Amino acid sequence: ETGVTQSPTHLIKTRGQQVTLRCSSQSGHNTVSWYQQALGQGPQFIFQYYREEENGRGNFPPRFSGLQFPNYSSELNVNALELDDSALYLCASSPDSYGYTFGSGTRLTVV
Amino acid sequence: AQTVTQSQPEMSVQEAETVTLSCTYDTSESDYYLFWYKQPPSRQMILVIRQEAYKQQNATENRFSVNFQKAAKSFSLKISDSQLGDAAMYFCAYRSWNRDDKIIFGKGTRLHILP
Repeated sequence: ETGVTQSPTHLIKTRGQQVTLRCSSQSGHNTVSWYQQALGQGPQFIFQYYREEENGRGNFPPRFSGLQFPNYSSELNVNALELDDSALYLCASSPDSYGYTFGSGTRLTVV
Repeated sequence: AQTVTQSQPEMSVQEAETVTLSCTYDTSESDYYLFWYKQPPSRQMILVIRQEAYKQQNATENRFSVNFQKAAKSFSLKISDSQLGDAAMYFCAYRSWNRDDKIIFGKGTRLHILP
């Protein structure tokens, strides 16, 4: 059991639409990070939340936003979807920012 | 900015043999973590091994070991007695000592295990 559950596993959206991806972490995992993994590439850091506050952000535009909730779940929201947003989105959580547990990701396809 | 480079896009090894995956990185920091992650077709990123930069001793986890050369900024992964289940993408990754910092991944090496 991974301890990090992401939903949905696959998603197809149309360019210009908005999407919300969800992640459920283990109890006590106060830190959650989101990564975008394009096909054939390594994951790229989007942002990180600690105790419901954003405390780090990668080189992604403001249309990528997130939320972390007290129940250790989190969301990644992407507005105005572009074709290049097609990727695997990975959520990773940790109790101490040291040992991250990754989920199996959401495969987003923008058409 | 820190970078991680994996120069081998694909590698193959015979089952039961040993294979070494290469990784180099660039940083101006003295304290940091290095990781090897495995990503099978299930897509989940699985931590294989972790090395703290302040430790001179190379990390080992069963059949997996690293050769950490801090001065050369090299961090290779050796897999002994390769098994079919080792087939996957392997990513080398770096994280600053700062607990709030991101993980920086290389582009990955696809490892094939030949029966």
